[in-house]
Formats: sequence, structure tokens, C-alpha cells
Amino acid sequence: QITLKESGPTLVKPTQTLTLTCTFSGFSLSTSGVGVGWIRQPPGKALEWLALIYWNDDKRYSPSLKSRLTITKDTSKNQVVLTMTNMDPVDTATYYCAQTSNFHNWFDPWGQGTLVTVSS
Amino acid sequence: SYVLTQPPSVSVAPGKTARITCGGNNIGSKSVHWYQQKPGQAPVLVIYYDRDRPSGIPERFSGSNSGNTATLTISRVEAGDEADYYCQVWDSSYVVFGGGTKLTVL
Repeated sequence: QITLKESGPTLVKPTQTLTLTCTFSGFSLSTSGVGVGWIRQPPGKALEWLALIYWNDDKRYSPSLKSRLTITKDTSKNQVVLTMTNMDPVDTATYYCAQTSNFHNWFDPWGQGTLVTVSS
Repeated sequence: SYVLTQPPSVSVAPGKTARITCGGNNIGSKSVHWYQQKPGQAPVLVIYYDRDRPSGIPERFSGSNSGNTATLTISRVEAGDEADYYCQVWDSSYVVFGGGTKLTVL
């Protein structure tokens, strides 16, 4: 059974850096083709893809947020970390991580998500 | 950048057929995936590769993709199908989601 779970602060101040961790089980990021992605969803709004990382450390970022995002993996810990700099209230959202693959590029399954509020 | 356009809302009576569209430039040349998201829950993959269903997804869910429009079809709609639905593609090494469609069961 594959599971993913997001963790990190629930509240960050404007201009701060957000660090989120996705801890997963049931698969390995050292397996060829496997990847983990991050997607966010502001309250009442649509899904927005942020970044993804593959087993071979290939990384992709949303063009509109690329300058603020960094994604890394720790294969030994079964974790993927996303950092987002210069947080703003518009970045308030539920942040999800999900498994993906460079063989197919869909996301399944997803973590439960974690709500991050940006406010002073 | 590639844009996917979905109608904000679709309404359907129980037992009828709902069709949710996802428009994009020559989307028929891409693989489209669909997600269902119920209130307070994470999205769930319901269709991949235009028309394939993951295990556990009812046969009432089907998909098609041609030209500039991909379509998610839900037959014999049930109250439990009320949710937001999102399409997704891979374009030029990036992931793109549609704006989502709220399906209301009357």
C-alpha cells in the first residue's frame, strides 16, 4: 500500500521561507521511473502544480514559480522536501504531495494535504 | 504556456449522464488524466490515458479525447458523484491542470 503524508508549518509570515516534507511509504525513489510531485490548492480554488522530482534527481518546476521553489529528495528517509521562498498571503493553500512517474505523468495516490496560512 | 479550459459547473439529475469537457489546443495529441475531488478530501485519479480507469473506479466513469476537447463522462450519475473534477496533461515537460468543474447532482 502506497501512502504519502505532508508535514510542515501551518502558519508562516510574509517574506519567510516555507519548508514542507513529504514522507512516503510503499515505494522507493530509487526505483527507475518513480517520482513525487507537489501540488497546491488555495481555498476554494483550483489545483496548481508546483514541482516534481524523479528517481534520477531530474527536477521540474512550474515556470511561474520556478525562481522561488527548490525540490530535493532523501531516498534513505523516503522523503521529498519542497522549499518556497518569499511567502506571500496569496500562497495560502493546501499543499499536496503525490506519487508520479516519468512513464505516465499522472498523480496517484495523493497525500491528505496540509494547509499553510501566510499571515503576519 | 498550455491552457486547459473547463466549464466552472455542470448540473445533472440522478440517473442521467454528465459530461465534463476539457479544452486545449490539439489536446487530442496529448494524454489526459482526470481527478475527482470531494469536499475536504484530496484528489483521486478516476481516468488516465484519456479513457482508462484505475482499479476501484466504477465503469460509469469513462473518457474520450479528440481534436481540441477531452471529455469525462459519468453515466447513471449518483449523489455520491457530486464533486470537483480536474483534467491534467503533460506539456513541454510541465504539468498542467484545468481550472476544475463542479458537478452538482440535482
